[in-house]
Amino acid sequence: DAKTTQPPSMDCAEGRAANLPCNHSTISGNEYVYWYRQIHSQGPQYIIHGLKNNETNEMASLIITEDRKSSTLILPHATLRDTAVYYCIVRVNYGGSQGNLIFGKGTKLSVKP
Amino acid sequence: DTAVSQTPKYLVTQMGNDKSIKCEQNLGHDTMYWYKQDSKKFLKIMFSYNNKELIINETVPNRFSPKSPDKAHLNLHINSLELGDSAVYFCASSQVRGMNEQFFGPGTRLTVL
Repeated sequence: DAKTTQPPSMDCAEGRAANLPCNHSTISGNEYVYWYRQIHSQGPQYIIHGLKNNETNEMASLIITEDRKSSTLILPHATLRDTAVYYCIVRVNYGGSQGNLIFGKGTKLSVKP
Repeated sequence: DTAVSQTPKYLVTQMGNDKSIKCEQNLGHDTMYWYKQDSKKFLKIMFSYNNKELIINETVPNRFSPKSPDKAHLNLHINSLELGDSAVYFCASSQVRGMNEQFFGPGTRLTVL
């Protein structure tokens, strides 16, 4: 059972920032926020994860609100290749079945020229 | 250099047959996974496995069985295939169980006629 809520779809103009929101109001103190994406006909791809602090890597930035009940994935300069379904997942960061990734419906991001 | 590979990419078979999907990872990871993505695009964990422990999603029929000849391989055997088994199956791996980043294979599209 997904514990996150995401908009089903979003559009973004090429070259602009894509801001993908995620609500996780029931997140526990030991749960991390993960983002994956799935480009059409490919396997999911890890993007970024965080616990409390904002995180940035070569792909994206993750902004987590202070109460941790929501977060935003930011693709700073979206390209056509970023068109994909983006999944926001909350999970504990240790082994066992509770550490499994549980994918919801995600947000289908369409980057348009 | 493919990190996680699966064969075959496409598999078409008749109901009642037994089939296998192979997965190999060259990342030196300890844990491997199988996921199923159905026609509605929901992605669900089926198994997670390392050399110590197999964790099975309780909703997976016992016709499905993972077999690991060594740490780099986790094959999926399916007996008595049914129409409802038609889906895309993804293999994944992570450094250890519960590790943040999972690497996914390209998927195997299984069609049962």
